[in-house]
Amino acid sequence: QVQLQESGPGLVKPSQTLSLTCTVSGASISGGYYWTWIRQHPGKGLEWIGYIYYSGSSYYNPSLKSRATMSLDTSKSQFSLKLSSVTAADTAVYYCARDAGFYDSSGYYYIPIFDYWGQGMMVTVSS
Amino acid sequence: QSVLTQPASVSGSPGQSITISCTGTSSDGGNYNVVSWYQQHPGKAPKLMIYEGSKRPSGVSNRFSGSKSGNTASLTISGLEAEDEAEYYCCSYAGSSILRVFGTGTKVTVL
Repeated sequence: QVQLQESGPGLVKPSQTLSLTCTVSGASISGGYYWTWIRQHPGKGLEWIGYIYYSGSSYYNPSLKSRATMSLDTSKSQFSLKLSSVTAADTAVYYCARDAGFYDSSGYYYIPIFDYWGQGMMVTVSS
Repeated sequence: QSVLTQPASVSGSPGQSITISCTGTSSDGGNYNVVSWYQQHPGKAPKLMIYEGSKRPSGVSNRFSGSKSGNTASLTISGLEAEDEAEYYCCSYAGSSILRVFGTGTKVTVL
């Protein structure tokens, strides 16, 4: 059974860096998936933050204006998110998830499939 | 800007069928024909219900089905049950810049 678990500080001061880790069990983090972070502002919808591929390549939502960085630690079966210069607008529940999607026959359109999720971690940005 | 628009709320009585739509608009080549659908109960993580437009993961009730017509994908819940009361989100490829986007979300209420 694949399981993901977020960990990290639940309270971060404005202007500092938010750091979260997702520990994966039941699956190899090197197994060809897009390891993803998604967040949900209080009472709002889901926002895709970005992914880190098993190869180490990453891509982030442009709305985060280059504040996000993800990394992979295969020896610990973990992947991480760092979000710099946080403000109150970054207060949200942060989820890690596995994207088991693929490109369609055209090779252009990606079909995302978030098949496993962590339970979510509430992070509050406040002084 | 890529957007997946869903109705804010849909309701139905137990045993009825309801349909949630997901309509995509994009300026950068997103593909909204093949979506995945997620169910989220309050305080819980989202759960994959439908992928590749119409496929169900193992363990998901066959009361849930997905379809598409033109630029609109749909999730139908048949034989509505109290446990189906939740928020539902669609998700799709959003084009070469943002890559993945979620719909605005639909609150399903079982009357």
